[in-house]
Amino acid sequence: DIQMTQSPSSLSASVGDRVTITCRASQGIRDDLGWYQQKSGKAPKRLIYAASTLQSGVPSRFSGSGSGTEFTLTISSLQPEDFATYYCLQHYNYPQTFGQGTKVEIK
Amino acid sequence: EVQLVQSGAEVKKPGEALKISCKGVGFSFTTYWIAWVRQMPGKGLEWMGIIYPTDSDIIYSPSFQGQVTISADKSINTAYLQWSSLKASDTAMYYCARHVDLDPFDIWGQGTMVTVSS
Repeated sequence: DIQMTQSPSSLSASVGDRVTITCRASQGIRDDLGWYQQKSGKAPKRLIYAASTLQSGVPSRFSGSGSGTEFTLTISSLQPEDFATYYCLQHYNYPQTFGQGTKVEIK
Repeated sequence: EVQLVQSGAEVKKPGEALKISCKGVGFSFTTYWIAWVRQMPGKGLEWMGIIYPTDSDIIYSPSFQGQVTISADKSINTAYLQWSSLKASDTAMYYCARHVDLDPFDIWGQGTMVTVSS
């Protein structure tokens, strides 16, 4: 199985801060990676797919980059509605695997 | 509107059987894979397995193989997740999501909460 190591597991940030979350794959996964946002009590919502393609309707302050084994999700200017948990997911092969999640909290 | 509609919350006793559902609405169900994802209380997302309703090709995570059964009925655009004998540790929210390689996990169901308690 491909292990997805996501870091940090949590972070505290202020509105307006730039936030970066990283996922590392245990082997190369091309760009077969997506980023998902989950707010409390809600289903996950896709933000980014193919490592860097922004989902329609998602604000442009979200961006993704990377290929192979290292990937990042960046929020350029954190907004109040961005406080949530973020997960990466690889679909390069089966079983598809999630990162452990990053909880973004208000400082 | 494109959506996945899941069945309602369940409260069961240990040892009981259960089958929950995920119905595709507003899209061609048989052109997508449908995945199941578990989220235990306060924990992260875990990929359980995936089915291609066109031919019922199924792939399980090794962690869930033998613990659950995934199936689908393409005639009614519905995928299922079932247990033959529930345990307390099966208490979790279960999500379905549709998947295709060029457009992965774009639509999710609202989730089904399963509570197993004596």
